[in-house]
Amino acid sequence: GESVGLHLPTLSVQEGDNSIINCAYSNSASDYFIWYKQESGKGPQFIIDIRSNMDKRQGQRVTVLLNKTVKHLSLQIAATQPGDSAVYFCAEKEDFGNEKLTFGTGTRLTIIP
Amino acid sequence: DGGITQSPKYLFRKEGQNVTLSCEQNLNHDAMYWYRQDPGQGLRLIYYSQIVNDFQKGDIAEGYSVSREKKESFPLTVTSAQKNPTAFYLCASSIEAGVVNTEAFFGQGTRLTVV
Repeated sequence: GESVGLHLPTLSVQEGDNSIINCAYSNSASDYFIWYKQESGKGPQFIIDIRSNMDKRQGQRVTVLLNKTVKHLSLQIAATQPGDSAVYFCAEKEDFGNEKLTFGTGTRLTIIP
Repeated sequence: DGGITQSPKYLFRKEGQNVTLSCEQNLNHDAMYWYRQDPGQGLRLIYYSQIVNDFQKGDIAEGYSVSREKKESFPLTVTSAQKNPTAFYLCASSIEAGVVNTEAFFGQGTRLTVV
């Protein structure tokens, strides 16, 4: 549903600590998931993706976990740095042939020096 | 360099006027998208297009129109019927998922202010 009137959840983490950002999705037909990072006034940037046939994928300092049973996605950022401060969105796409890409509400991550 | 370009970055219009936002990509992507973002909120899908000459309504299409006459271009018109048009508009593109899903690449956005 729409998120009009709702403001982003926030998460504050001490620099150097690990952070976990969560995302719930509702469409059981979704089979491809993406995490994006958005800095103020800019377009979202790709971080990492995962397909529905996987439950974990690792990148540089980031790990995405997918639990299809409870329709839950998480992004773990290790050893956070000030540059990690941004808004993080998960996005989902359905089966092949349907290009509709839907975004979650987003979480504002603030790294405390 | 390959990429997706939105222009202009800032746009001001008087209430009641239609306005068209430009989005061009040279990535040879089939799918293109328009999203609206309000301050402190997420991205809401306005329209998307999977292929030239075809497009589908997203979740908040009322008051907007699009065209997809060329693969590279997906302009968005904000019409006078859109009751609250002031927002940050984001365009994106991705390879059509005929074989494998891939991420969407975003432009830098157009901030539209209607006065």
